[in-house]
Amino acid sequence: GQSLEQPSEVTAVEGAIVQINCTYQTSGFYGLSWYQQHDGGAPTFLSYNALDGLEETGRFSSFLSRSDSYGYLLLQELQMKDSASYFCALPSNSGYALNFGKGTSLLVTP
Amino acid sequence: DTAVSQTPKYLVTQMGNDKSIKCEQNLGHDTMYWYKQDSKKFLKIMFSYNNKELIINETVPNRFSPKSPDKAHLNLHINSLELGDSAVYFCASSHPGNEKLFFGSGTQLSVL
Repeated sequence: GQSLEQPSEVTAVEGAIVQINCTYQTSGFYGLSWYQQHDGGAPTFLSYNALDGLEETGRFSSFLSRSDSYGYLLLQELQMKDSASYFCALPSNSGYALNFGKGTSLLVTP
Repeated sequence: DTAVSQTPKYLVTQMGNDKSIKCEQNLGHDTMYWYKQDSKKFLKIMFSYNNKELIINETVPNRFSPKSPDKAHLNLHINSLELGDSAVYFCASSHPGNEKLFFGSGTQLSVL
């Protein structure tokens, strides 16, 4: 089977940098994705890492270390609108679904 | 144009009733999904269809029956609703095997 572990809650101050970690276990690895979900909203795709290293998209970056079965999402210059839940996800063994972690609730305070 | 649209947005019903949720995507994707999100925000895959064929059925009670009349539509019918079915149900679509899923806005189901 697969498992994904991420912290349940993180709090950070506006303008700061925050890192949300995700550790995973899977028999075959096909990439780690990150999604954002605001309260009452739908999950939206943020980033995807298939290979080791850092992928940058504006204020958000995602890192992957396949040897450590570990990844993180880095949010810089935090804004109040970044308060949301963030999910890491792995493709299922069939490749026809994503299995999500339990999500990290990020609260950005003034 | 909404990429993935699902209706209704809210569904309040009594235990034992039967209800349906409809989903349509205009993205030209071959793969569609139903996810259930519980009160703790855990997103769990229920079904996955590719080109109208069922690929994944994740230990979902057989009271839940998906139907895909064509590649752009994936509906969910639920029989004999139970209290534990209360959740937000999300439809999503993607290209086959692609990690970028596009989600609908969700259907908040409340079973009383």
